[in-house]
Amino acid sequence: DQQVKQNSPSLSVQEGRISILNCDYTNSMFDYFLWYKKYPAEGPTFLISISSIKDKNEDGRFTVFLNKSAKHLSLHIVPSQPGDSAVYFCAATSGAGSYQLTFGKGTKLSVIP
Amino acid sequence: GAVVSQHPSWVICKSGTSVKIECRSLDFQATTMFWYRQFPKQSLMLMATSNEGSKATYEQGVEKDKFLINHASLTLSTLTVTSAHPEDSSFYICSARPQGVVGPQHFGDGTRLSIL
Repeated sequence: DQQVKQNSPSLSVQEGRISILNCDYTNSMFDYFLWYKKYPAEGPTFLISISSIKDKNEDGRFTVFLNKSAKHLSLHIVPSQPGDSAVYFCAATSGAGSYQLTFGKGTKLSVIP
Repeated sequence: GAVVSQHPSWVICKSGTSVKIECRSLDFQATTMFWYRQFPKQSLMLMATSNEGSKATYEQGVEKDKFLINHASLTLSTLTVTSAHPEDSSFYICSARPQGVVGPQHFGDGTRLSIL
């Protein structure tokens, strides 16, 4: 049973527009969420995180929104750039101090120039 | 920032060979490191938790005699795939987080293992 779900395997967005990547989770014990970006043949790179005490966290062009009641989070990238093209993984854990992450399957974002 | 180095980045070898992959934290100490495996178009699946100075903890379904983990120092963990077979071909990635720091794990660049 997948506890972290990214239901869109791929997404194409025009350069300059907003990219919205979605993630759903089922485990109510999760309270810390992370987004990682991954290029082919490389390890994931941390992008942004959010604790369950917040509903929004922003870092430059990247904003993560958390809806606890819906067990849903989303990553917004605006404006999207061609260099943002990569696979984005949503991950969740119980406690920011916890080490163990549960990952979604990823969404491949393609930003079209 | 915290850097995790993984070596080698690509291995091609014959069936039956044992392959060792190293994971190093370059600028921090880590009592715990993690080993993941990723099949094409799949999620990163946690294989095992590597604990410095003690035995690794394996996830259900992962053979501990097949995937030997050694965490001999606070900056190095190794994963040895013993007697590798074609079905072991995958992308193996390690991660670590600075000791005592709350925050994201940092990942190595992964090792692409291809068994012929």
